[in-house]
Order: sequence, then C-alpha cells, then structure tokens
Amino acid sequence: SQTIHQWPATLVQPVGSPLSLECTVEGTSNPNLYWYRQAAGRGLQLLFYSVGIGQISSEVPQNLSASRPQDRQFILSSKKLLLSDSGFYLCAWRHRLAGEYNEQFFGPGTRLTVL
Amino acid sequence: EDQVTQSPEALRLQEGESSSLNCSYTVSGLRGLFWYRQDPGKGPEFLFTLYSAGEEKEKERLKATLTKKESFLHITAPKPEDSATYLCAVQAGAQKLVFGQGTRLTINP
Repeated sequence: SQTIHQWPATLVQPVGSPLSLECTVEGTSNPNLYWYRQAAGRGLQLLFYSVGIGQISSEVPQNLSASRPQDRQFILSSKKLLLSDSGFYLCAWRHRLAGEYNEQFFGPGTRLTVL
Repeated sequence: EDQVTQSPEALRLQEGESSSLNCSYTVSGLRGLFWYRQDPGKGPEFLFTLYSAGEEKEKERLKATLTKKESFLHITAPKPEDSATYLCAVQAGAQKLVFGQGTRLTINP
C-alpha cells in the first residue's frame, strides 16, 4: 500500500528565516506530486505541482519555491519567510498512470507558524 | 472562473439525525468531483470521486450524489465519530483541484 510522509509536523520560524519542508511517498512510482496551503478559515490552495523529476509548475506567485530531486520526494522552500506564509502545508500525490482526473491522496501536513 | 461553494458552513446534529451537505460548483467541463473528510490538525482523507451527473457512491453511513450543478453528501444515522470537516473539490484543468471552504459537522451523542 502507498503512504505519504511529511516533516516536520510543526514548525515555528521567525520572519526572514529560510524554510524547507519535505514530503516523500512510498509504495508507488512516478506519482504526480502537489503542495497545498490551508490558511485558517480558508480552503486549500494549490501552490505547486510536479509530473516528474525536476519538473515544477507554480500556481501562485509568491516567495516560495518547490523542487523534486527524486521521483518520490517533493520539497517546499523559502529563502525568507513572511508572516503571511503561516498556515497548514499539505503534500498530496496521485497515480499518474491511472489518468489525470483521479483522486489525490494527502499527507498528514506541516503546521507552520511565522512569528 | 472555476468555483466551489459548500453549505452550510457548520452543522450540528444529534446522533442518529440524518442530513445532507451541499456542494455547488461552477466549472468549465466537469472532469471529476471529490469529497474528503478532514479531522482537526490532520490532512484530508479521501472519500469519493464522482464523474458524471446521476452517479452515486456509498460508504458506510455516507452517500455522495452528483447533478450537473451540485453534489450532496448524505449522512444517514450519524455517529459522534462522523464529526469532522467535509471538503468538496472539483477538477479544474489537468492538475488543479479547486476546493470549497468545507462544512464543519458536529454529531452530539
């Protein structure tokens, strides 16, 4: 069976500090990978997606970036955090071979607080 | 613009009291509608995928239905463990899901 991991689970960072959140998927190959942010009282917002190693598409312009150094690893980064970057960050994956319109599966999330 | 609106925002029921959650959507060509359950502090858990009007899916006390403009999540004889936020999303484009704000459901024993 497939599992998805995210770490850290919680993070408190000062404004202006760097960020690195990691997501890994086990039990599948060539998944599509996604980063979402869920701000308090708001819906999930897609930030980045990747259909393969080194292939990153951005949905929302901001001071965040994403990378996919390995097939099942997805990293979300920032050089300088802003207060508005606080939120719940979720990684998700989808079977690529099953078609483009099948369901996405989410990880446990990382709670980021920027002070 | 693709849009998803869920109602009500919050719903309180007594154990055993059946009800329905609504998800209205506007999308240029529906490619899929998804229901998720999210517990506090956790990632969304996949429940159902619906692709075409008239389709229905069931799982335990939950049944999801789909029309051309909306989807319903029917909850029959709910239990306290069904308390959660239920999220609806539509496929908008090849990779993007557009989510509603969710319905926070509380089942009192």
